[in-house]
Amino acid sequence: ETGVTQTPRHLVMGMTNKKSLKCEQHLGHNAMYWYKQSAKKPLELMFVYNFKEQTENNSVPSRFSPECPNSSHLFLHLHTLQPEDSALYLCASSQGNTDTQYFGPGTRLTVL
Amino acid sequence: TQLLEQSPQFLSIQEGENLTVYCNSSSVFSSLQWYRQEPGEGPVLLVTVVTGGEVKKLKRLTFQFGDARKDSSLHITAAQPGDTGLYLCAFDSPQQNTGTASKLTFGTGTRLQVTL
Repeated sequence: ETGVTQTPRHLVMGMTNKKSLKCEQHLGHNAMYWYKQSAKKPLELMFVYNFKEQTENNSVPSRFSPECPNSSHLFLHLHTLQPEDSALYLCASSQGNTDTQYFGPGTRLTVL
Repeated sequence: TQLLEQSPQFLSIQEGENLTVYCNSSSVFSSLQWYRQEPGEGPVLLVTVVTGGEVKKLKRLTFQFGDARKDSSLHITAAQPGDTGLYLCAFDSPQQNTGTASKLTFGTGTRLQVTL
């Protein structure tokens, strides 16, 4: 089974919509991450969760709201986004601070 | 703020050619990682270099960590269309508070296209 899965793979939403991105890891890892990859900036870390607790918020606007109900699932709730939020949103997981991060395929988000 | 600058930004070559891409910074790192991201996929770790001057080989890919541990290079010999993708270098900052999750900072990336 694929290690890290993300749904949906593609999402188009209006600025007033509310949507959620889902990530699931089947690797038994304890840490999960959200990254944003846009055309004009390097891949950047958004949030880190370790054993379901958020340990990093990289100055992300409040219109992005993460949720980690357990070590295997991670959500990113989206509301009142801006067109500049259009990007590839990647989820990753790892066992610990010396272990490799495994990335999902990403959700391609377009905000109209 | 530690930044990783990668060059070139874009590279289009024909099958069979050799190429080198670079990852540079003014900061010293304990280690650097190289990833390849293929279209429609997430990045996949290729290698981690740890020791200054270290050279690691992965089939036709040769990775080198600078002696001062501020820069790294990736050389591909006899490139193939399957090498097409975005090559990213990154450094890892283990989180101080928890000690059990990492924090990757990525470079600007080199987009490679290998044509027949």
